Amino acid sequence: GQSLEQPSEVTAVEGAIVQINCTYQTSGFYGLSWYQQHDGGAPTFLSYNALDGLEETGRFSSFLSRSDSYGYLLLQELQMKDSASYFCAVNQAGTALIFGKGTTLSVSS
Amino acid sequence: DSGVTQTPKHLITATGQRVTLRCSPRSGDLSVYWYQQSLDQGLQFLIQYYNGEERAKGNILERFSAQQFPDLHSELNLSSLELGDSALYFCASSARLAGGGPKEETQYFGPGTRLLVL
Repeated sequence: GQSLEQPSEVTAVEGAIVQINCTYQTSGFYGLSWYQQHDGGAPTFLSYNALDGLEETGRFSSFLSRSDSYGYLLLQELQMKDSASYFCAVNQAGTALIFGKGTTLSVSS
Repeated sequence: DSGVTQTPKHLITATGQRVTLRCSPRSGDLSVYWYQQSLDQGLQFLIQYYNGEERAKGNILERFSAQQFPDLHSELNLSSLELGDSALYFCASSARLAGGGPKEETQYFGPGTRLLVL
């Protein structure tokens, strides 16, 4: 079967750094994506890793280890507006995303 | 704004009814995906179309069907509706299938249609 595991909830304070882990078990793995979703809104693309290593996009970074079937999203200098759900998703070649159940991040002041 | 449009935004209907959700992909995108998001199931892939042809099926019920038209817009038809079909239905589009770089495969989501079955 196919499965992705990520923590259901994470809390942090403004200015902190938080890491959201994702482990996956899928067939036909092509890459790992991260999406952000604010309450009731559409998922929006954050980052994508096809190769091992770290990808940095501003305050957000994403890491992938294909040998460990593991990735994480690192959010730095947290802001209140970062409170949202974060989904890891496996890209399977030529087809749809398989999403994890999402991690709800709550940022407090 | 992702460039993907979905109508209607909200839909309230009764059990046993049939509804049609509409999606227009980003200009130039050939691939359309439908996802269902409910509280207890997360984001579930339903079906994918590429340039008018069905490409992949996920956890789509037999009561549900979809199609992609020559102008690349897509419709998701839900029939014999049940209370459990109440959910957010998202459409996403991407430029192409795998084979290109990640930019071509990034999926852009529309605002969704919130379906409530009473």
